[in-house]
Amino acid sequence: QSALTQPASVSGSPGQSITISCTGTRSDVGGYNYVSWYQQHPGKAPQLMISDVSNRPSGVSNRFSGSKSGNTASLTISGLQAEDEADYYCSSYTSSSTYVFGTGTKVTVL
Amino acid sequence: EVQLVESGGGLVQPGGSLRLSCAASGFTFSTSSMNWVRQAPGTGLEWVSYISSGSSTIYYADSVKGRFTISRDNAKNSLYLQMNSLRDEDTAVYYCARFGGYSGRGWFDPWGQGTLVTVSS
Repeated sequence: QSALTQPASVSGSPGQSITISCTGTRSDVGGYNYVSWYQQHPGKAPQLMISDVSNRPSGVSNRFSGSKSGNTASLTISGLQAEDEADYYCSSYTSSSTYVFGTGTKVTVL
Repeated sequence: EVQLVESGGGLVQPGGSLRLSCAASGFTFSTSSMNWVRQAPGTGLEWVSYISSGSSTIYYADSVKGRFTISRDNAKNSLYLQMNSLRDEDTAVYYCARFGGYSGRGWFDPWGQGTLVTVSS
């Protein structure tokens, strides 16, 4: 199972909006609405930001939103803040009943 | 507070074995499916294994199938990962993560702090 494809890096200025893409196949992202997104700060464990494509867990800022179109899922961060600087990973359920993560995206706040 | 604490990591030679543990607290462990996810140094996340609440359903990534065994003891609120025939490429921080969702389809939340496994001669 190949990793889902994410851009290596995305940057934006405070207050701006950025979008991170996550591209898979019909066997994972495109076939199921079980895409989740995780934020990871350096030296820390990942933290769930979005589940089931677009559901935001309680406690997660409403500046984070998720969507999906075809084989590509997206995470949008609006009103970018310094604390949003971190690595972000997508994950998807697959047709093999396994899970695959994305290659990861480093978000930089300029 | 929901908490997951991994232990058992360390330095092991190629071909060796190691058993990781994950102690759970703050939630009903016996009704929660669990996972192991790893992260090699400086790289991304890789899902390793899933186990349902009653251990009836287990899945593994192809990279560890036949070498790793996931198990749990609901009476002890503990999750385990027995790792045999370890290879250099198994070097990683291993995280345990509670599974959210139904019938094996969902997300990982929360995650433990991780335990480092280093495979080297």
